This record gives sequence, C-alpha cells and structure tokens, in this order.
Amino acid sequence: RKEVEQDPGPFNVPEGATVAFNCTYSNSASQSFFWYRQDCRKEPKLLMSVYSSGNEDGRFTAQLNRASQYISLLIRDSKLSDSATYLCVVGPNTGFQKLVFGTGTRLLVSP
Amino acid sequence: DAGVTQSPTHLIKTRGQHVTLRCSPISGHKSVSWYQQVLGQGPQFIFQYYEKEERGRGNFPDRFSARQFPNYSSELNVNALLLGDSALYLCASSLVDRKNSYEQYFGPGTRLTVT
Repeated sequence: RKEVEQDPGPFNVPEGATVAFNCTYSNSASQSFFWYRQDCRKEPKLLMSVYSSGNEDGRFTAQLNRASQYISLLIRDSKLSDSATYLCVVGPNTGFQKLVFGTGTRLLVSP
Repeated sequence: DAGVTQSPTHLIKTRGQHVTLRCSPISGHKSVSWYQQVLGQGPQFIFQYYEKEERGRGNFPDRFSARQFPNYSSELNVNALLLGDSALYLCASSLVDRKNSYEQYFGPGTRLTVT
C-alpha cells in the first residue's frame, strides 16, 4: 500500500464548479499535512498547510480527518487558472522531515 | 527576496558519468531537502540537510550523495549515472528552527536526462 494515495483523475470541471479531492495516508504517526499545486513541468508550490481544525484560504478549504487518515481539498468557483496537478503531502511532526508526496490529482477546468 | 534557486536548469549526461546539482535556499532558511520526481509521480525524498549535517535519507543507492555548505547552499552528487536517473531534481528549503516552520518551498528544479 502506498504511504499517500490520491485519485490521479483527471477531474474535468466547468468554470465556476466546486470540486473536491481526497487523499488517504497510511502512517498514523503523521503530524504535518499539506496541499501543493504543480503546473506542468514546474516545481510544486505550497498551496496550504492543513491543520486539525481545518483551514480556509479564499476559495480553497482543507480538512483533516485523523481518525480515518484522510485529507481533503475543496475548491469553490473553479477558475481556468486552477488547472494543475494537486499533490497531497504528509510528514512527521518535526522539522526534520521526509515529506511523502502522493502521485497527484490532475484538475482540468474548462470554459 | 529571492526564492530557492537551482543550477543548472537542464542537463544531459551519458550513462556512467557523474553529475553535480546545486541549490541555494531562501535567505534565512537553514534546511535543504532534495527530491527526485519522475514523470507521472510525486517527488521522492532523497536527502535533508540542516546546519551542514544530514538529517534524513530516503531509499536511494549510495551513488547519491549530498552536502551542505556554511552558507546553507547545497550540492547533490550522483555517480555512475543510469538511464533511470533521468528525472526532475528538486531542492526545497525550510526554516525548521521554530514552530510551524515545517513548510518546504521548492526551487524550479534541474531536469536531468541520461542517455
């Protein structure tokens, strides 16, 4: 079983739609969680950290369910510019961490 | 402030050769991590360095080595290149030294092609 699993997609949605991605992780000791966005042939860019209480940044909402070991990302009012691959990332609760990346979920937003 | 910088951006090498990749972290960041990303996969952790010491190592062969310098920049070295080493090599920097500073910020990467 992979340490971090994501549906690779692609998710094809129209502009303005709401889309949700889920991610599951296998290491129950994991303590830090992130969503990164990666455009084609570019580096991953930190989208948001995911906290136990959940967090929201504009159109983006991230939630963590420790009991079920999954993380979600909700994107509201999708824009064409949201088209990218979204990487779910998990790590331990130390600064010295091996971040474990999922393979990513591809999102395509169409006009 | 400049972000994470990496050099070179692209590199073509032949099997058996050696390669050195370079990374400069964000100013003030003391930790550098290296990742390998092959097409269609997420980045895979190779090394983490903090204050010039190795703090973590991923599941990569001994052909891969790295070091960090007093100015916190870092080099990744790969010996005896194989075709399978062709990938995007990413460097990430992080603060580490205070709470909630575990976020890692990536450079643009070095795209290595081994022929």
